Amino acid sequence: DAGVIQSPRHEVTEMGQEVTLRCKPISGHNSLFWYRQTMMRGLELLIYFNNNVPIDDSGMPEDRFSAKMPNASFSTLKIQPSEPRDSAVYFCASTTGLLGTQYFGPGTRLTVT
Amino acid sequence: GIQVEQSPPDLILQEGANSTLRCNFSDSVNNLQWFHQNPWGQLINLFYIPSGTKQNGRLSATTVATERYSLLYISSSQTTDSGVYFCAAATGNQFYFGTGTSLTVIP
Repeated sequence: DAGVIQSPRHEVTEMGQEVTLRCKPISGHNSLFWYRQTMMRGLELLIYFNNNVPIDDSGMPEDRFSAKMPNASFSTLKIQPSEPRDSAVYFCASTTGLLGTQYFGPGTRLTVT
Repeated sequence: GIQVEQSPPDLILQEGANSTLRCNFSDSVNNLQWFHQNPWGQLINLFYIPSGTKQNGRLSATTVATERYSLLYISSSQTTDSGVYFCAAATGNQFYFGTGTSLTVIP
């Protein structure tokens, strides 16, 4: 298995632009998590899905952030409009069930100038 | 939410030494995991251990849920063990990460 796949690996954009991050979970996993990591705030859980349904999005910082999981093999995290404070590494992780071992993708490093 | 505290924040070891990392959490949890983030940023799950003890090679972990702490043991440390070790605890639907222990193993 290729593991969790994230794209792009790096993204540089200007403030105000829309950013879309993509994640392909491990085949057979039915839960998917989006995390953000910054020096100031550490690792934060943004949202997670179970069987393609959002279970908890209380970690999403504000309405500029949205996430979708249209099918079991694909999820997106969108930021519109982006701001410099959104600069971070965004990780996607998948697992079976909600409480199982989580497997992380390599992350997307986002820089908003 | 749950407060997750890790100690020590930083640790420097000579190769071959043993170490114990601690994770305290402020409330009952239904999920406790340990992760290693290597110097290249990759996050790897080490243990899913809401209670009891597990071992995987030179690493082992123990969670005493009634006393709200978990320990990660690293024996015979190697330079490849360097990185940041995070614990994450969950209750209900939300996960909370500690701030990590940064480990440097010197050859």
